[in-house]
Amino acid sequence: GENVEQHPSTLSVQEGDSAVIKCTYSDSASNYFPWYKQELGKGPQLIIDIRSNVGEKKDQRIAVTLNKTAKHFSLHITETQPEDSAVYFCAASYYSGYALNFGKGTSLLVTP
Amino acid sequence: NAGVTQTPKFQVLKTGQSMTLQCAQDMNHNSMYWYRQDPGMGLRLIYYSASEGTTDKGEVPNGYNVSRLNKREFSLRLESAAPSQTSVYFCASSEATASYEQYFGPGTRLTVT
Repeated sequence: GENVEQHPSTLSVQEGDSAVIKCTYSDSASNYFPWYKQELGKGPQLIIDIRSNVGEKKDQRIAVTLNKTAKHFSLHITETQPEDSAVYFCAASYYSGYALNFGKGTSLLVTP
Repeated sequence: NAGVTQTPKFQVLKTGQSMTLQCAQDMNHNSMYWYRQDPGMGLRLIYYSASEGTTDKGEVPNGYNVSRLNKREFSLRLESAAPSQTSVYFCASSEATASYEQYFGPGTRLTVT
């Protein structure tokens, strides 16, 4: 089955700095790579996703890059703000509507 | 439009007791999922239902059963709770055709003593 590894497990940055979280996956058939943000006491919420026919996607301060050859994808958050503090999960799946395989999460702390 | 709702929010069980976690979605989604979240382990899939009338095991199905009651509802049952099932349980749903996004409920925090 698919194995998704996520690094780092914790990340602390100062407000205004950039944050980068990296994930690798094992199954070359995977073609969908979402990123979820989970705030304390809440369920995960999708913040950005990328499909295998795209190398990069950007939405305001967040971007995701995908390298299918190397089987890794990354989340980039620029100009971080304290409200970006949360746990971020990457995931991989090989077809629509079926199981997501999640990484173990990165706890991001943005200090003012 | 409430999205995905879960009941109860919190539950404490004694070892050996049984209970059912309820999940409902009002987005007319075809697929529904149950995950458990443990510290340092991320989210692990217990069971999923690709469409009404079908269910399949995920990564950690032992000790659980599910029922896809109709298109809206997907329940998770613990027949004989064990301390190892202490966790936060999340239900999710997705369209499965028009969109890949999975929408998560607020979770049920379960403690088994």
